Amino acid sequence: NAGVTQTPKFQVLKTGQSMTLQCAQDMNHEYMSWYRQDPGMGLRLIHYSVGAGITDQGEVPNGYNVSRSTTEDFPLRLLSAAPSQTSVYFCASSYYPPPGTTEAFFGQGTRLTVV
Amino acid sequence: SQQGEEDPQALSIQEGENATMNCSYKTSINNLQWYRQNSGRGLVHLILIRSNEREKHSGRLRVTLDTSKKSSSLLITASRAADTASYFCATVPLGGAQKLVFGQGTRLTINP
Repeated sequence: NAGVTQTPKFQVLKTGQSMTLQCAQDMNHEYMSWYRQDPGMGLRLIHYSVGAGITDQGEVPNGYNVSRSTTEDFPLRLLSAAPSQTSVYFCASSYYPPPGTTEAFFGQGTRLTVV
Repeated sequence: SQQGEEDPQALSIQEGENATMNCSYKTSINNLQWYRQNSGRGLVHLILIRSNEREKHSGRLRVTLDTSKKSSSLLITASRAADTASYFCATVPLGGAQKLVFGQGTRLTINP
């Protein structure tokens, strides 16, 4: 099993450009989520999904869209990139959504720079 | 807002010593989890403790939970250079929120 796969690993965007960060998992997990990690801020939740067709907002959803058309995939779309979106993005999945007592599996991250 | 706050923010010890990291949180929780992040990598789950548990062990890891003080500690015994990483606590707040909320992390450095 590959686990949680994120692509690309690195990306540089110009302000105003749009792009999609891909996330796929092959563990048949119902719950998937996106976080951003900034220095000194820990991980902040952007969006999450408890199953195909169901998404909800986390702490910092502005400027991002998500969709969940299949159990396996949970892409994160940046609509119009801004320098404030420069960050490392992590996708995570777990078999049950919280508060189910299962661990989260993380991808290796996408390092995004917006210039 | 962050649910958990780790203390200290950074910790540097000698190999073989024990490392203790603390996590405080604000609201009642369902469970608390600890994760490790090696530099430039994703997070890896270490241990989960439920709100009705007080202590849990896994290998060289010992986690305690005090729900009355809204705090948890992670003890790594007999530290090794490979334990150098950032450690995060994550909580699942009570009240139906389907979210795993992370603290800011403790950066642990093990010196040979």
